[in-house]
Amino acid sequence: KQEVTQIPAALSVPEGENLVLNCSFTDSAIYNLQWFRQDPGKGLTSLLLIQSSQREQTSGRLNASLDKSSGRSTLYIAASQPGDSATYLCAAQGNKLTFGGGTRVLVKP
Amino acid sequence: GAVVSQHPSWVICKSGTSVKIECRSLDFQATTMFWYRQFPKQSLMLMATSNEGSKATYEQGVEKDKFLINHASLTLSTLTVTSAHPEDSSFYICSGGGDRAYEQYFGPGTRLTVT
Repeated sequence: KQEVTQIPAALSVPEGENLVLNCSFTDSAIYNLQWFRQDPGKGLTSLLLIQSSQREQTSGRLNASLDKSSGRSTLYIAASQPGDSATYLCAAQGNKLTFGGGTRVLVKP
Repeated sequence: GAVVSQHPSWVICKSGTSVKIECRSLDFQATTMFWYRQFPKQSLMLMATSNEGSKATYEQGVEKDKFLINHASLTLSTLTVTSAHPEDSSFYICSGGGDRAYEQYFGPGTRLTVT
């Protein structure tokens, strides 16, 4: 059974600092690894999807890496802004999509 | 493209009543639809997977007689919470499986509050 863990559970940084969010998964037999953003009371916004054959994906200030062999993915957000405050979820796609518990991010102005 | 809508976005119902949540794929055909539940400050948990025209597959611990799922067309799936109780209060999110393997497109969610 796939288990996905995100550390830390919460993170607070001053504006401008780079964010590093960690995600680990127990079963490396995945098709892809996805990162989502969720604002309070809202649905999911897809940020990045890394196929199992890829090592990283980039979109603007966001960069996500994937190391299947070690069961880890990292989401980097450069030059954080208050608008980046949200919960970030990673999810591993195997036979089903398994979500981590999320990291709640607060970027202070 | 790949937009999924849910209706209603929020609903309050009394204990013992039933409530239906609709999930629609607006610009693609979703052969498979997924239903998730999210309790406050927790992550999403898959409840069930439904394929158009067939019975849904429920995850372990999810009562199929309580959470009725119908996937009658390639663009519509419904989740009916029967005889709702306060512990069923949660955020319910659906997703539709698109053309590319193992990609899901998520709806905006429905907040259910049972009083």
